[in-house]
Amino acid sequence: KQEVTQIPAALSVPEGENLVLNCSFTDSAIYNLQWFRQDPGKGLTSLLLIQSSQREQTSGRLNASLDKSSGRSTLYIAASQPGDSATYLCAVSQPFSGNTPLVFGKGTRLSVIA
Amino acid sequence: DTEVTQTPKHLVMGMTNKKSLKCEQHMGHRAMYWYKQKAKKPPELMFVYSYEKLSINESVPSRFSPECPNSSLLNLHLHALQPEDSALYLCASSQEENTEAFFGQGTRLTVV
Repeated sequence: KQEVTQIPAALSVPEGENLVLNCSFTDSAIYNLQWFRQDPGKGLTSLLLIQSSQREQTSGRLNASLDKSSGRSTLYIAASQPGDSATYLCAVSQPFSGNTPLVFGKGTRLSVIA
Repeated sequence: DTEVTQTPKHLVMGMTNKKSLKCEQHMGHRAMYWYKQKAKKPPELMFVYSYEKLSINESVPSRFSPECPNSSLLNLHLHALQPEDSALYLCASSQEENTEAFFGQGTRLTVV
């Protein structure tokens, strides 16, 4: 059974810092890995999708990497801003048959202090 | 347009009520999902529809009944819920089962 772990569970940084969020998964048989952002009481916003054949994806100040063989992904946020404060969830996508299509980690709660 | 629309945004219902949650997408996605999320927990999968057919039911109690009337619409019918069913209910869709998933803003359900 796939398990996804995110470290740290919570992170507080001053504005302007670069930071790294970590995600690990136990079964490398994935289609893709997706990073989401969730504001309190709101839905999930897709940030980046990395296909299993890719090594990284970039969008603005965000860069996500994937090392499928070691079961790890990182989300790098450059020059953090107070507006980046949210919970960041990583999820892996697996084939339907017998498996849950999207398996989520418990998230990292990020607080960026002005 | 990458929008998944859920209605209502908030719902309060009694344990004897019958209500429905609605989810709509116009991206031509063929897979649609219902997730349940409790506070400070990750989303938990409830149901998956693929090409308008129920493909996964994660042992969800029968008081939750999904329906997919067409490829753009997904409903979740609620009946005789318990207070512990209070949660954020999220709908998602993807082009296929292994492509990028897009989530709605959720329905905050409170059962009293």
